[in-house]
Amino acid sequence: GAVVSQHPSWVICKSGTSVKIECRSLDFQATTMFWYRQFPKQSLMLMATSNEGSKATYEQGVEKDKFLINHASLTLSTLTVTSAHPEDSSFYICSAGGGRTTEAFFGQGTRLTVV
Amino acid sequence: GQNIDQPTEMTATEGAIVQINCTYQTSGFNGLFWYQQHAGEAPTFLSYNVLDGLEEKGRFSSFLSRSKGYSYLLLKELQMKDSASYLCAAMDSNYQLIWGAGTKLIIKP
Repeated sequence: GAVVSQHPSWVICKSGTSVKIECRSLDFQATTMFWYRQFPKQSLMLMATSNEGSKATYEQGVEKDKFLINHASLTLSTLTVTSAHPEDSSFYICSAGGGRTTEAFFGQGTRLTVV
Repeated sequence: GQNIDQPTEMTATEGAIVQINCTYQTSGFNGLFWYQQHAGEAPTFLSYNVLDGLEEKGRFSSFLSRSKGYSYLLLKELQMKDSASYLCAAMDSNYQLIWGAGTKLIIKP
């Protein structure tokens, strides 16, 4: 299957700082990527849909100024958590496909801990 | 509204068979997915059903009944490595995945 690479796998940052997470599709072009957040023992929650060359579409309740998404090329989308707070600590996962394809390919996920 | 229901947790014995059920309600329907997720890792694709019936893939099979809004994942010859969470997701008319909370499967020797 296709490969989606996400980096970093885990990060610890201080409260108030910003963290950037990268999501790359390694062997296919992804015009659309999805960013999810998952809290312990809960399901994946879609945060936003990242569209190449245009603005991301955010789900209700997700602050677009706090979670900055950039999808500058067909193989790279980035999520920047700005002014991180402890409550932002979570598992962040990106995926490509899952749109008009029959499979969503997931990155490895990023475990963010804000202290 | 859109909703996915699946049991929170199930326990089974190594070598046995287990069936994980999933019911869904979505605005339109473009298929039902099952994913496996080990703790701390991203989900990995198991199966996709869009037509009624049973799809078999090795030890894993997935069933769909569109009229009943129902699917199940059947795992045979359980191995310890099958201990994981199993996520059911339905694709709605906008091709967006609606995720269940996952079923944690515990395999005992």
